[in-house]
Amino acid sequence: NAGVTQTPKFQVLKTGQSMTLQCAQDMNHNSMYWYRQDPGMGLRLIYYSASEGTTDKGEVPNGYNVSRLNKREFSLRLESAAPSQTSVYFCASSARMAEQFFGPGTRLTVL
Amino acid sequence: QQQVKQSPQSLIVQKGGISIINCAYENTAFDYFPWYQQFPGKGPALLIAIRPDVSEKKEGRFTISFNKSAKQFSLHIMDSQPGDSATYFCAASPGGVRYNFNKFYFGSGTKLNVKP
Repeated sequence: NAGVTQTPKFQVLKTGQSMTLQCAQDMNHNSMYWYRQDPGMGLRLIYYSASEGTTDKGEVPNGYNVSRLNKREFSLRLESAAPSQTSVYFCASSARMAEQFFGPGTRLTVL
Repeated sequence: QQQVKQSPQSLIVQKGGISIINCAYENTAFDYFPWYQQFPGKGPALLIAIRPDVSEKKEGRFTISFNKSAKQFSLHIMDSQPGDSATYFCAASPGGVRYNFNKFYFGSGTKLNVKP
């Protein structure tokens, strides 16, 4: 039982490059989330998927897209990376009315 | 505008002392208040959580105090240990009991350093 897994762990991009962050959970959770964590800002919700087949914007969605591929997988895509997107990205999942479980994070640097 | 305000930003406590972290919110629709603990290089993990029908919840050395009228809640760590050194986040959610998912709003975090 791996919980929430994220790939890659680290990534360096040049401005304008694109990439997809992958997230998978094996807890049969309905809901999944993408957050970014920046110093002094806490965790801010980028996008979430309340259930398979649905996605919604969070607090800071600009510059990102998401895909809920199936119940297990939720990916985050940066189409044209910008230095302002340098951050640590966390994926999380939850069952109904329950805590969120977080993955180990992806540290992204955009040069 | 941040929906949950957390203070202090950093905290240094001697081993055996009490660590206190405070959070405040405005949205009266919030009805689930978890605290998360994060060690360097790791994702946050749930530490303890409270719903507004109780004013206090204790789990071991960790206690949440909740003041519904003041819209404030705090984490108390009794007998703080060096192993408690981590970043702590409070959060609030309007989806605790009524909805199918929990949309969390996090505080900005408190970096706790417990000195031996």
